[in-house]
Amino acid sequence: EVQLVESGGGLVQPGRSLKLSCAASGFTFSNYYMAWVRQAPKKGLEWVATISTSGSRTYYPDSVKGRFTISRDNAKSSLYLQMNSLKSEDTATYYCARHRPMGIFDYWGQGVMVTVSS
Amino acid sequence: DVVLTQTPPTLSATIGQSVSISCRSSQSLLHSNGNTYLHWLLQRPGQSPQLLIYLVSRLESGVPNRFSGSGSGTDFTLKISGVEAEDLGVYYCVQGTHAPLTFGSGTKLEIK
Repeated sequence: EVQLVESGGGLVQPGRSLKLSCAASGFTFSNYYMAWVRQAPKKGLEWVATISTSGSRTYYPDSVKGRFTISRDNAKSSLYLQMNSLKSEDTATYYCARHRPMGIFDYWGQGVMVTVSS
Repeated sequence: DVVLTQTPPTLSATIGQSVSISCRSSQSLLHSNGNTYLHWLLQRPGQSPQLLIYLVSRLESGVPNRFSGSGSGTDFTLKISGVEAEDLGVYYCVQGTHAPLTFGSGTKLEIK
């Protein structure tokens, strides 16, 4: 059974940093692209980042480019999201998702809440 | 960025009724490789999203066949043939043809 379990969320002040983690199990992690998708409270879904199988290629929308960094450790079957210079508009539930390429997110974690507020 | 417009924003249905949700794109989603990367997700209340349909019309494994997808270019439709109580939630379309990946604003399905 595929499982994705996020951790590392919480309350953080604007301008500070936070790192999210996602522990994967039930599939060969190193064979899949992975992604982060977020959902602001009572809002829709927004793609945040994608990483290739080896980690050599990463992709971001302009809204987070230069502030967020996605990475992975295939030996640990783990995905990460380093978030710097956080803004109030980054407040959201962040989901880890397995990413069959081109927008096919076939498994999702339960999500972790990040609140950016002073 | 590609804008995906979903209609209606809210849909109310009785059990057994068939319903359709539209997803209209601001640009054609036909990729140069011949594929159309338009997919559908369902987010049940309090849950994470789940994949229902990918590549316009392909049913994800384990998804009931009362769900079907169709369309091409800029106009796409998700149909539920015989709504069941477990189908309530918010439906999202998502496109992967053009960077950045974008989602529709969602259609909330309520059960009467």
